[in-house]
Amino acid sequence: EDQVTQSPEALRLQEGESSSLNCSYTVSGLRGLFWYRQDPGKGPEFLFTLYSAGEEKEKERLKATLTKKESFLHITAPKPEDSATYLCAVQAPPGNTPLVFGKGTRLSVIA
Amino acid sequence: GAGVSQSPSNKVTEKGKDVELRCDPISGHTALYWYRQSLGQGLEFLIYFQGNSAPDKSGLPSDRFSAERTGGSVSTLTIQRTQQEDSAVYLCASSRTRAGTSTYNEQFFGPGTRLTVL
Repeated sequence: EDQVTQSPEALRLQEGESSSLNCSYTVSGLRGLFWYRQDPGKGPEFLFTLYSAGEEKEKERLKATLTKKESFLHITAPKPEDSATYLCAVQAPPGNTPLVFGKGTRLSVIA
Repeated sequence: GAGVSQSPSNKVTEKGKDVELRCDPISGHTALYWYRQSLGQGLEFLIYFQGNSAPDKSGLPSDRFSAERTGGSVSTLTIQRTQQEDSAVYLCASSRTRAGTSTYNEQFFGPGTRLTVL
């Protein structure tokens, strides 16, 4: 059974204090690993897709990396507006199949 | 461009009533998904439509849940004889079909419908 575990469940950072969120996964053949951001009362907002181990993607203060067993979302010098729940999901072959989500990491960045 | 839209944004109903939730996917997206997000839980897959193929209903929690997609576009999720445990946010997502050697697996989500069953 495909599984995704995210840690920590919640993270509180001071503005400018860099950190990383972890996503550990088991899947029968990884088609893609996805990171989403979800603000309260809204649907998840797509951030990144990673397809193979060693791949990295960046967007503003966020960088996502992937190994064969886990992914990290690195947040550099976070700002209060980065506060949100970050969701990780995996997709098994053949493609366009439903995503399996973790429970998310709730990030709070304090000014 | 227009994203995925869902209606209503909020629905309050009484136990035992039927409800219909609507999803309008992004134009041109052939795959459509329904997920459910309960308090403290991750997103749970419900049902998946891909083009004209038969839907994957493997995530539906009971036979009270059903969904259809008309004309390859708009989808309706119906919950019959609602129960209190059906209270959740119901999210719809759509994605493009894989094309050639490129992959378009990203799923784009709507804002969700918050269902409360009293």
